[in-house]
Amino acid sequence: QKEVEQNSGPLSVPEGAIASLNCTYSDRGSQSFFWYRQYSGKSPELIMFIYSNGDKEDGRFTAQLNKASQYVSLLIRDSQPSDSATYLCAVNPTDTGKLIFGQGTTLQVKP
Amino acid sequence: DGGITQSPKYLFRKEGQNVTLSCEQNLNHDAMYWYRQDPGQGLRLIYYSQIVNDFQKGDIAEGYSVSREKKESFPLTVTSAQKNPTAFYLCASSISGRRNEQFFGPGTRLTVL
Repeated sequence: QKEVEQNSGPLSVPEGAIASLNCTYSDRGSQSFFWYRQYSGKSPELIMFIYSNGDKEDGRFTAQLNKASQYVSLLIRDSQPSDSATYLCAVNPTDTGKLIFGQGTTLQVKP
Repeated sequence: DGGITQSPKYLFRKEGQNVTLSCEQNLNHDAMYWYRQDPGQGLRLIYYSQIVNDFQKGDIAEGYSVSREKKESFPLTVTSAQKNPTAFYLCASSISGRRNEQFFGPGTRLTVL
């Protein structure tokens, strides 16, 4: 069974701090990795994707991928209260045509 | 505007009734997906379709049925055989391929009375 694991949290950080969200996956052949943000009562929104080892930056968000360790993370710099949401990690395993989602990590940014 | 629409936003069903949830996309995406989300839980895949007139069961297909007669549309029927259908239902679509970036519709919240 292909799995994606996330700490459910909640992860609480003060406004302006760096929030670090982590995700591990079991399928070593996975090719692409995604972070979704989901506000309470709303549908998930794709905020970052990464395909290659290393870092990918987009504004205040940085995705980090380490395929050897089967680990992907999302850093949010200068966290704002509006970043308070659940963050879902998703992985595209080898040749399955579907994504496997983690349970999500709830982030709380306190003013 | 390109996007994914789901209707209705809220749906109430009596026990023993079948209901159909609508999902339409105008993104010209080949693949479409249905997920179920229960409170405090992640997403569980119900059915998916990578091409018109073809679909596959996901992890929790029992009690659900789908059709894919048009590229733009992927309706989900929740049948009376689904024992605990109260949940948030999410439709997604993607361009078929290795990367599989999926985009979600706004969701339908189904409540069984």
